[in-house]
Amino acid sequence: AQRVTQPEKLLSVFKGAPVELKCNYSYSGSPELFWYVQYSRQRLQLLLRHISRESIKGFTADLNKGETSFHLKKPFAQEEDSAMYYCAFTGGESGYSTLTFGKGTMLLVSP
Amino acid sequence: KAGVTQTPRYLIKTRGQQVTLSCSPISGHRSVSWYQQTPGQGLQFLFEYFSETQRNKGNFPGRFSGRQFSNSRSEMNVSTLELGDSALYLCASSSGGWGSYEQYFGPGTRLTVT
Repeated sequence: AQRVTQPEKLLSVFKGAPVELKCNYSYSGSPELFWYVQYSRQRLQLLLRHISRESIKGFTADLNKGETSFHLKKPFAQEEDSAMYYCAFTGGESGYSTLTFGKGTMLLVSP
Repeated sequence: KAGVTQTPRYLIKTRGQQVTLSCSPISGHRSVSWYQQTPGQGLQFLFEYFSETQRNKGNFPGRFSGRQFSNSRSEMNVSTLELGDSALYLCASSSGGWGSYEQYFGPGTRLTVT
């Protein structure tokens, strides 16, 4: 079954430090990968879609099909980046109308 | 455009009761998906509706059901509530068209079963 793995439950960094949130998926075809973010007391919102290849709020993510990874990166973390980050996958046996989520990584950026 | 809305935002029910949750998608979106979010299991897919038809279903018991109306609004029903059904239920909408796979989420309905 297709699966998304986010190995870190919590990532704690200082302001200005680089950030990398890891995401690996299990699927050999052509998936669509996303990063969603959930700030405190706010709804889940789309941060990035791999196919758009754009940078949002300084975050970027590159799909590496060889390593089946879609890690989220930011060169200089800001305090307002503190949130829960979810990697999500669509495609494969469930088609493109459902999202399979990882368990999420809580990013804490300290001053 | 207005975002996805869900009603009610909070709900407290007793074991054995049933509950209906409502979701209004973004205008023009024809696909509505439902997810259950719990601290232990994270975000799990329940089902997806497109043009009033259930297109996909997750691995949940038959007590969980849903429907979609002609205006794309969707309802989710849970019968014979169990304590383990306590969760945040999220609705997401998408255009449902080819190549448009982004889903936009509502604020959720927090269901507490006592």
